[in-house]
Amino acid sequence: AQSVSQHNHHVILSEAASLELGCNYSYGGTVNLFWYVQYPGQHLQLLLKYFSGDPLVKGIKGFEAEFIKSKFSFNLRKPSVQWSDTAEYFCAVNAQTDDKIIFGKGTRLHILP
Amino acid sequence: NAGVMQNPRHLVRRRGQEARLRCSPMKGHSHVYWYRQLPEEGLKFMVYLQKENIIDESGMPKERFSAEFPKEGPSILRIQQVVRGDSAAYFCASSDVRSGNTIYFGEGSWLTVV
Repeated sequence: AQSVSQHNHHVILSEAASLELGCNYSYGGTVNLFWYVQYPGQHLQLLLKYFSGDPLVKGIKGFEAEFIKSKFSFNLRKPSVQWSDTAEYFCAVNAQTDDKIIFGKGTRLHILP
Repeated sequence: NAGVMQNPRHLVRRRGQEARLRCSPMKGHSHVYWYRQLPEEGLKFMVYLQKENIIDESGMPKERFSAEFPKEGPSILRIQQVVRGDSAAYFCASSDVRSGNTIYFGEGSWLTVV
């Protein structure tokens, strides 16, 4: 069964700092990978996804993620964060042979103005 | 095109009562997922359904919890004889073949058991 690990539970940054949130998954087969964001009091929204092709995926709001197959990783990055990026970020994975999508425990990002 | 609709948004139940949470998927979506979110625990998969069919319920507690997605009407997550530990946010998501494996979430239903 697949699982997802997000290393950082809480991250605090100042505006304009660079961001990298770690995500590792465990599954031996081909996977689809996702990052979702949950702003305070709101539902989860898709930031970006990787199904195949270019391992560097660009999403909304300046976010990107890189799939490194050899490391089973799909880290989320943003070169310069804004106060409005304060939210909880969830990495998710599903095996391409399975419709079930498994989420990590989330990383709470707090941006200081 | 309306997104995934969940109701009620907030529900308060006394211990021992029943809770029913409803989810209407996005128009044209035939697959529904239910997730439970507890503080500090992230999103836990509960169940995955198609119309009239439970595909995967490996995340559902063995007792008191059930889910359905009838041919007509919304998907329903039913919790019988609620206990304080059932207090959580319950999120529904939907997808279809065209969206591939991308799922779209509703705004959640917050259950509080007193």
